[in-house]
This record gives sequence, C-alpha cells and structure tokens, in this order.
Amino acid sequence: AQSVTQLGSHVSVSEGALVLLRCNYSSSVPPYLFWYVQYPNQGLQLLLKYTSAATLVKGINGFEAEFKKSETSFHLTKPSAHMSDAAEYFCAVSTTGANSKLTFGKGITLSVRP
Amino acid sequence: DGGITQSPKYLFRKEGQNVTLSCEQNLNHDAMYWYRQDPGQGLRLIYYSQIVNDFQKGDIAEGYSVSREKKESFPLTVTSAQKNPTAFYLCASQGRGYTFGSGTRLTVV
Repeated sequence: AQSVTQLGSHVSVSEGALVLLRCNYSSSVPPYLFWYVQYPNQGLQLLLKYTSAATLVKGINGFEAEFKKSETSFHLTKPSAHMSDAAEYFCAVSTTGANSKLTFGKGITLSVRP
Repeated sequence: DGGITQSPKYLFRKEGQNVTLSCEQNLNHDAMYWYRQDPGQGLRLIYYSQIVNDFQKGDIAEGYSVSREKKESFPLTVTSAQKNPTAFYLCASQGRGYTFGSGTRLTVV
C-alpha cells in the first residue's frame, strides 16, 4: 500500500520569499514521487518527478524537491515566490510494474502576497 | 499534438439521471485512469484500465461504471447510485509519464 501526507491545506508567502511545501510518503517498495500544480478548473501539470536517479530533482518554473529516504519525505521548494505561483499543489506517489497507479495527497493551496 | 480530451468541460444533470463523461487520448497509451476531485480531499481513484477490455476498481468505485472497448477511449458513467456525484472529474493516461485531461465539472441538481 502507498500513501501521501501533505500537512496543512494552505500556505501563504510574500512575493520573493521562500516557498516550502511538505510531502511525506509511505510505500512498501521504492517509490516514484511527483509534484503537480493545478490552476482553477484545469488539469494537472507536472512540476517534477523522482524516479530513483538523483535525489535532488529540478523541475519547471524554478521548483525543486529533494528525496530523503530516511525521512520518507519529498518536500517542494522554490527560492523566490512569484505571484504566478499561486495555485494548488499535489504530491503523489506511484510504484512501477503491473497495476501501478498514482496516489495523491490532499493538496496544498499556495497564496502569494504582494 | 497528442493529448487527452475530456468533454464536456461543464455538465449539469438532474438527480437520478445517469451521465457519461468522455475521455479520449491519442497518445497510444495503454493505461488510463479516472479520478474524482473534491475540495480538501485531493484526487481519489475511481477506476483504472491497464489494457483494452480490462479495468479495475479504484478506491471509490461505488456508483460508477466504465468501459474500455478501444485503446483511445475510457468513458466514465456516473450512475444514480452515486450518492454525491457533484465533483470535478479528471482523466489521465500513462505512457512514460502520466498525462491529465483538463477535467469535467459535473453538477447534479
């Protein structure tokens, strides 16, 4: 079984401040991990993914995440928030092989204050 | 361009009526998925299909049905047995990665 925990439902930062969105996972096998962003009434856009290569993963729009096996974490960061980063962010985990499927966390809404 | 098309974007139905949501992909992906999204609950898996003519229940399959007669198509029917069908529905397919459609917002009145 696999699961994802995203603590808190809402994060608010000032423009230019550090963005940190937390994600912890549970998986009985080595996981693949993902961060997605969603704008209102739209589908999901992939920000980045970890697939057992480098533990520090760089994604689009200046986001990055670090896979820490000892902490079962995959936190998303961005050094300087921009107004356009305001959206909902989902962490997800999957396994490989037959019947693989994505399991999502509950999501975090990021607000950016001017 | 390859992608996933969900239609319609907005759908209104009266309580007690079945409704079918369309999902079509031209990515030649074998696996396809249906998720339901509610505020504060993330995305929950309804059904998935790894190959044509085969599908499995996800975590919240009750009140829903699917078919997979063609590789490109994975329609979802929301039946009258679904107690709270108003939600945002997302379809996805999987090749080397996952690709999502733009969603259908279903409102049942």
